[in-house]
Amino acid sequence: AQSVTQLGSHVSVSEGALVLLRCNYSSSVPPYLFWYVQYPNQGLQLLLKYTSAATLVKGINGFEAEFKKSETSFHLTKPSAHMSDAAEYFCAVTKKSSGDKLTFGTGTRLAVRP
Amino acid sequence: DTEVTQTPKHLVMGMTNKKSLKCEQHMGHRAMYWYKQKAKKPPELMFVYSYEKLSINESVPSRFSPECPNSSLLNLHLHALQPEDSALYLCASSQADRALYEQYFGPGTRLTVT
Repeated sequence: AQSVTQLGSHVSVSEGALVLLRCNYSSSVPPYLFWYVQYPNQGLQLLLKYTSAATLVKGINGFEAEFKKSETSFHLTKPSAHMSDAAEYFCAVTKKSSGDKLTFGTGTRLAVRP
Repeated sequence: DTEVTQTPKHLVMGMTNKKSLKCEQHMGHRAMYWYKQKAKKPPELMFVYSYEKLSINESVPSRFSPECPNSSLLNLHLHALQPEDSALYLCASSQADRALYEQYFGPGTRLTVT
């Protein structure tokens, strides 16, 4: 069974600093990987996804993530944090078979200090 | 239009009430999902509909009854709920229930059971 581990339930950065949110996956087969963001009292919004086309994936709002098979990682980064980035971030995985369900990590809450 | 809508936004119900949650999408997606999300936790899959047929039931108690009247609509009928069922209920849709298709989430219905 596939799963994801998000290291750090809370991350705090200063406005303008680098954002790094960590996600490691375990999967017996090559996975599809996703990052979602959830703002307070809202649903989830897809930031980006990895489906094996390219290892460096660019998403919305200046975020990107790099798939590293050797490290089984898919960390999310953004060069310069903005106050509006404060939210909950979920890494999710599914495997390349039809109808398989999305498995979410436990989430990382990002706080941005002025 | 990449929007999934959910009504109502908030719902308070007693343990003997019957109520329904509604979800709608007009993206032509053929897979629709119900998730339950408790505070500070990731979403948990409840049901998946694929081409209007129930394809996954994650051992959800029978007091939750899903219905997919057509390809754009998804309902969740609630009856005799317990206080521990209080949560944010999220609806999502995707092109099909295949791993590479991302899920689009609605804003959720915040349910309180008294």
